[in-house]
Amino acid sequence: GAVVSQHPSRVICKSGTSVKIECRSLDFQATTMFWYRQFPKKSLMLMATSNEGSKATYEQGVEKDKFLINHASLTLSTLTVTSAHPEDSSFYICSARDRMAPYSPLHFGNGTRLTVT
Amino acid sequence: GQQVMQIPQYQHVQEGEDFTTYCNSSTTLSNIQWYKQRPGGHPVFLIQLVKSGEVKKQKRLTFQFGEAKKNSSLHITATQTTDVGTYFCAGRILRGYQKVTFGTGTKLQVIP
Repeated sequence: GAVVSQHPSRVICKSGTSVKIECRSLDFQATTMFWYRQFPKKSLMLMATSNEGSKATYEQGVEKDKFLINHASLTLSTLTVTSAHPEDSSFYICSARDRMAPYSPLHFGNGTRLTVT
Repeated sequence: GQQVMQIPQYQHVQEGEDFTTYCNSSTTLSNIQWYKQRPGGHPVFLIQLVKSGEVKKQKRLTFQFGEAKKNSSLHITATQTTDVGTYFCAGRILRGYQKVTFGTGTKLQVIP
C-alpha cells in the first residue's frame, strides 16, 4: 500500500531555533500534501495545503512566515517551524494523496512530536 | 467555514457492548472517510463513503452515510479491547477543493 514517511518522529529544540520536518511519499507521487497539527486529545487541524511547484495554501489563522512549506518535488514536502516557541509544541502530521487517484483517502505519515523548551 | 462535529466526545463501554459515534457536517459533503487513531499513533484509514445513504460493513464495523450527505455514523458491534482508540470522520465538501476537514473525534475506551 501507499506509504508516507515523515521525519523526524520526535524533536526537542530550544526556543528561537528552527525545525524542519520532512514528508515523503515513498511509492506514489503527490502533487498535493497536507500538513496538520494536533494538540493533545484534540482533532487534527489543517494548517496548510502544500502544492508541488507552487505556493502553499494556508488556513485562516496560520502564519505563513512562521510555518514555511516547500514542496519541491512530487514526493517531498517540508514544513519548517521558524523561531520556535513553547506554544509551537505539538504533534505535526503530514498526509498525501496519490496524484493518480485524486479522490482517494489520505495517506498519513507517522507524525512528528515537537517539543520546544 | 466548514465544521464537522462528532458525538460523543468520549465513550466508555464494557467489552462486548456496542458502540456508535455520530458525525455531522455543517455543509454537504462529496464523500466522507473514517479514520482510527491509537494513542501515540497516526490516523489510519478505515473506509470511504461516497453515495447518499450508503452503508458499508467491515466485520464488526458498520458505516453509514446520510441521505443528505451531511452526516455519518460508525457502529461497532460487540466491542473488543483492540477497538480502543479515537475515531475521526473526515469530510470533503461538495464541489470543494481537495482539502479534508476532520471531525472532533470520539475517544473509545473498552473495559475488559
